[in-house]
Amino acid sequence: NAGVMQNPRHLVRRRGQEARLRCSPMKGHSHVYWYRQLPEEGLKFMVYLQKENIIDESGMPKERFSAEFPKEGPSILRIQQVVRGDSAAYFCASSPDSYEQFFGPGTRLTVL
Amino acid sequence: GIQVEQSPPDLILQEGANSTLRCNFSDSVNNLQWFHQNPWGQLINLFYIPSGTKQNGRLSATTVATERYSLLYISSSQTTDSGVYFCAAWSGNTGKLIFGQGTTLQVKP
Repeated sequence: NAGVMQNPRHLVRRRGQEARLRCSPMKGHSHVYWYRQLPEEGLKFMVYLQKENIIDESGMPKERFSAEFPKEGPSILRIQQVVRGDSAAYFCASSPDSYEQFFGPGTRLTVL
Repeated sequence: GIQVEQSPPDLILQEGANSTLRCNFSDSVNNLQWFHQNPWGQLINLFYIPSGTKQNGRLSATTVATERYSLLYISSSQTTDSGVYFCAAWSGNTGKLIFGQGTTLQVKP
């Protein structure tokens, strides 16, 4: 059973561009979570999704950020018009039952 | 919401030493997990332990839910144990993990 997959592992964008981060959960897992780790900080919850539904987006910035988990395919975290403050490691986690969460390797976003 | 605090913030050990990391949480929990973030930034699941005691090799963990704390024990530490150890918990029906600030462990040869 492969682990949580995230791609790309590293992403460089210029200010104003869009960033798309992808997450494929473990097989059989229908719960997906996104977390952000800013430099020298701990991890902060962003959003919790199940297939085709956003369950909790209380940690998402109000503007420029969106997330989806379609019926088919990976979950996508989309950041529009990136700014330097968006530079961080973005981790995806999945769970079969909303209890124990398993984390992917992360996507490191650098905004120039 | 729930608050998670870890101690100590930093720890330096000689190889072979034992250590105890502590995690305090402010409310009853449905989920508590320990992670190791290695120097390459990857988060490794160590334990899922909302209550009780578990052991995995040189690592073990105990959560005393009634007293709202969890302990991670590392015995016979090795240089590969270096990194940041995070405790994370959630309560209620939120599903979102709240992370502590971590304990940075350095094991010297």
